[in-house]
Amino acid sequence: EPEVTQTPSHQVTQMGQEVILRCVPISNHLYFYWYRQILGQKVEFLVSFYNNEISEKSEIFDDQFSVERPDGSNFTLKIRSTKLEDSAMYFCASTGTSNHEQYFGPGTRLTVT
Amino acid sequence: RKEVEQDPGPFNVPEGATVAFNCTYSNSASQSFFWYRQDCRKEPKLLMSVYSSGNEDGRFTAQLNRASQYISLLIRDSKLSDSATYLCVVNRGTGKLIFGQGTTLQVKP
Repeated sequence: EPEVTQTPSHQVTQMGQEVILRCVPISNHLYFYWYRQILGQKVEFLVSFYNNEISEKSEIFDDQFSVERPDGSNFTLKIRSTKLEDSAMYFCASTGTSNHEQYFGPGTRLTVT
Repeated sequence: RKEVEQDPGPFNVPEGATVAFNCTYSNSASQSFFWYRQDCRKEPKLLMSVYSSGNEDGRFTAQLNRASQYISLLIRDSKLSDSATYLCVVNRGTGKLIFGQGTTLQVKP
């Protein structure tokens, strides 16, 4: 069964450093998303991406964040200068159409020290 | 007011019990509705979509009431493996999923 994959599973970084989180969505999907979940809190939407551009972003997704689909398979989230409060689980998701079920990757646990 | 509200629980039930979770959403423009299941420190996994006509998948039944903006999930004959957090999720149609806080279920032997 096709699945979304994410790397790394855990990333530890120092405050102010740049991190890139990687995702490989399900191959025939067209819509891609990033969500985050701070420990003990609910899952929050960050950004949606379709047709090589951002469709929607939340207020969390400020200038420090960017997304890219550098090739036909990868979808990346970059945080330019990490803050302590960026520590969270980051989930990538994909779907074939915007109103349908989204399938989530296993997540990257980001720890900013 | 939160856009998606759930009773956080926990719900502690014996094996074999029937348990029901409820969820309300505030945005009447919401278009699609889902229940996801999340195990500790894992990703949300799709349990089922929710339709106004109601839908059933084995021991799980989901129902949507658009007039009341209310979504429910019924689990019959609970198993130990059903222990998890159940997330009520709403899509306004743009693709952005809005998650509830989740309801924790603990099924005991």
